[in-house]
Amino acid sequence: DVKVTQSSRYLVKRTGEKVFLECVQDMDHENMFWYRQDPGLGLRLIYFSYDVKMKEKGDIPEGYSVSREKKERFSLILESASTNQTSMYLCASSYLPKAFFGQGTRLTVV
Amino acid sequence: QKEVEQNSGPLSVPEGAIASLNCTYSDRGSQSFFWYRQYSGKSPELIMSIYSNGDKEDGRFTAQLNKASQYVSLLIRDSQPSDSATYLCAVRGDNYGQNFVFGPGTRLSVLP
Repeated sequence: DVKVTQSSRYLVKRTGEKVFLECVQDMDHENMFWYRQDPGLGLRLIYFSYDVKMKEKGDIPEGYSVSREKKERFSLILESASTNQTSMYLCASSYLPKAFFGQGTRLTVV
Repeated sequence: QKEVEQNSGPLSVPEGAIASLNCTYSDRGSQSFFWYRQYSGKSPELIMSIYSNGDKEDGRFTAQLNKASQYVSLLIRDSQPSDSATYLCAVRGDNYGQNFVFGPGTRLSVLP
């Protein structure tokens, strides 16, 4: 079975903090994705990566950055957390054409 | 604008009935189609994929694809209360690059 693991299930951070969300997959997949999910807005793509050190902006990259130094790990960084970044964050890993999700990180910024 | 549309629901069906979930997409270049199930507070779980026109069956689930009409559906036979969840339609194709486009999801409630 494909395993996609996100480092935290729940996080509470303060406004202005730098926040790191980690995602690791164990299947040597090339493509990895970060989404956020909010009620009424569905899943929105923040960034994706199709190879080590490669990244592409998704639909809502503002306020976020990513890092992919190793194939198995894709990190999402909130440079200066704000309350409007309170959300469920979902990492996905893909071998064409299917994608598999981690368990999600529910981030609250106070 | 690449779009995937679904009725948000809630769709309520009695236990044992057939639940029918529908999805339309705007990009004719779409190649791959997926249904994910998401329980409240959990992450999406892939339950069906379909790539060519027609029906694909897996247990109680049947996915149907009609590329000419840009329409994909999911039928759940003998619906159970444990099927109560939000069902997300996702589409992938050449025009999306390596990305998926997700619909907003349909909330299904199976009543005992």
